[in-house]
Amino acid sequence: AQTVTQSQPEMSVQEAETVTLSCTYDTSESDYYLFWYKQPPSRQMILVIRQEAYKQQNATENRFSVNFQKAAKSFSLKISDSQLGDAAMYFCAVTYSGAGSYQLTFGKGTKLSVIP
Amino acid sequence: EAGVAQSPRYKIIEKRQSVAFWCNPISGHATLYWYQQILGQGPKLLIQFQNNGVVDDSQLPKDRFSAERLKGVDSTLKIQPAKLEDSAVYLCASSTTSYNEQFFGPGTRLTVL
Repeated sequence: AQTVTQSQPEMSVQEAETVTLSCTYDTSESDYYLFWYKQPPSRQMILVIRQEAYKQQNATENRFSVNFQKAAKSFSLKISDSQLGDAAMYFCAVTYSGAGSYQLTFGKGTKLSVIP
Repeated sequence: EAGVAQSPRYKIIEKRQSVAFWCNPISGHATLYWYQQILGQGPKLLIQFQNNGVVDDSQLPKDRFSAERLKGVDSTLKIQPAKLEDSAVYLCASSTTSYNEQFFGPGTRLTVL
């Protein structure tokens, strides 16, 4: 079974500053995928960034980047130049092929506040 | 491109009543998921369909929950009878394949009194 741990229930950042959200996971699989999803208040969950475990290069998407440490089973999200629209719940998730399906397991989330 | 549609957006029922949720995935997405998100937690997968077949329903409480995806497009999730602990947001998501990005609907917020 997979587990995902987000140790920071809440975080805050000043507008235009940088913040890092932590995530650790536990899986015995060697081939898996990692995701960060964003869930704004009363709005739909959307994908922020995706990382394939077999790739050593860290994924980046504009102001969002990850620090993927496979040996440590760590997958942190860095948000640069934070904007007010970044305020949301952020969920880390991992999936692997188990019994023929890719079951996505989510962490409990980190609530990010952006201070003007 | 239209997103994942869900209805109703909100539902309030009394315990022991039944309720049904509807989901229309993005056109062409073969994989459809139903998640339960309890307040303060991440979504938990209830059931996953590949076209109209069930791929994973290991976390679905089958004594009270049921789901179907007729013709491999729309899907319905039913709870009968509902319990207080079923109060949650029920999210539907779809994707082209199992390991690709999942696109989520707005969810249905269920309150069981």
